[in-house]
Amino acid sequence: AQSVTQLDSQVPVFEEAPVELRCNYSSSVSVYLFWYVQYPNQGLQLLLKYLSGSTLVKGINGFEAEFNKSQTSFHLRKPSVHISDTAEYFCAVSFYNQGGKLIFGQGTELSVKP
Amino acid sequence: GAGVSQSPSNKVTEKGKDVELRCDPISGHTALYWYRQSLGQGLEFLIYFQGNSAPDKSGLPSDRFSAERTGGSVSTLTIQRTQQEDSAVYLCASSLLGAGVTDTQYFGPGTRLTVL
Repeated sequence: AQSVTQLDSQVPVFEEAPVELRCNYSSSVSVYLFWYVQYPNQGLQLLLKYLSGSTLVKGINGFEAEFNKSQTSFHLRKPSVHISDTAEYFCAVSFYNQGGKLIFGQGTELSVKP
Repeated sequence: GAGVSQSPSNKVTEKGKDVELRCDPISGHTALYWYRQSLGQGLEFLIYFQGNSAPDKSGLPSDRFSAERTGGSVSTLTIQRTQQEDSAVYLCASSLLGAGVTDTQYFGPGTRLTVL
């Protein structure tokens, strides 16, 4: 079965500290990987995606993620967070020739404190 | 240009009533997706349209749920005989290409459905 697991439901961190949000997936076929962010009372916005090629992907707002096929992981990182990064972050996968539907993880709530 | 829009933004209904939720995708986007976001289940895929046809309805939770898309544009998600477990935020997304191509999906703000 294909699934996505976000290992941390909540991550509190102080401003300007580094952060890593963890995501693991399970699939018997090749996957495409995404991170979306949902700010309070707003819709989902794409942060970054991995389709192929370089395993290190850079996205908006200084975020990056690394695809690790052997560990089936796609962890999201930022070297220095801001208060404005407080939001919920969702990891998602899709599969070739399945119309692009996304399978989401449960989400990680990032809370940045001053 | 305009993004994905959804209406209504909030809907409160009584158990047993039917509801219709509307999605206006980004102009020119061929693919349209419906998802549901609830506290217990997280974000779940419901149905996917390519043009006016729905090649994947696998996420619809029961036969009370149906959706259609007309003119390759607007889509309506209908829930008949609503139940309290249908309470959730219903999200719509569209992408330029869709089938066979992994394209960025752009999400609307959602419709919050509350079933009393």
